[in-house]
Amino acid sequence: AQSVTQLDSQVPVFEEAPVELRCNYSSSVSVYLFWYVQYPNQGLQLLLKYLSGSTLVESINGFEAEFNKSQTSFHLRKPSVHISDTAEYFCAMHQGGSEKLVFGKGTKLTVNP
Amino acid sequence: NAGVTQTPKFQVLKTGQSMTLQCAQDMNHNSMYWYRQDPGMGLRLIYYSASEGTTDKGEVPNGYNVSRLNKREFSLRLESAAPSQTSVYFCASKRGAGANTGELFFGEGSRLTVL
Repeated sequence: AQSVTQLDSQVPVFEEAPVELRCNYSSSVSVYLFWYVQYPNQGLQLLLKYLSGSTLVESINGFEAEFNKSQTSFHLRKPSVHISDTAEYFCAMHQGGSEKLVFGKGTKLTVNP
Repeated sequence: NAGVTQTPKFQVLKTGQSMTLQCAQDMNHNSMYWYRQDPGMGLRLIYYSASEGTTDKGEVPNGYNVSRLNKREFSLRLESAAPSQTSVYFCASKRGAGANTGELFFGEGSRLTVL
């Protein structure tokens, strides 16, 4: 069955430190992968997506993620985080041929001064 | 430019009461979705509508019904609310059916408490 696993429920880091939020997926068919971010008391917004082409995708605010088919992973990274990056991050998978987007359980990133 | 609008934003119900959550999008999207978000559970799909006139069950449909009233509006109804339905509900829309038609756009959520 298709599933998305986010290995860390909470990640605390200090400002300007690097961070990696891990995401693994399980699927027997082609997939499209997404990272969404949810700031407190708001809905989710798209951070970045992998549909096809280059396996390294970037967002406008410095995050990047790499699609690794052999390791079935789509980890999210940022080399230097800001206080404003404090939020919950959700990895999501869309299987080809399916209408359903499956979400991981989320990782709460807390950036401390 | 409103995007996806949900009403109400907050609601308290007693067990057994009914209510409808309303959702409207102004982006001319074909597909619409209802998710619930619970702590530590991520988002779970309740129902979706790939196009006007069609609806399908998601992961957790029991206790809910939906109506795709027209292309813009997709409502979620709780016929007899239960405490287990206490949650934050999100409506979302997408340009088209199919995995490669872009991302979901979410509303701000409706926080429902069932006593």
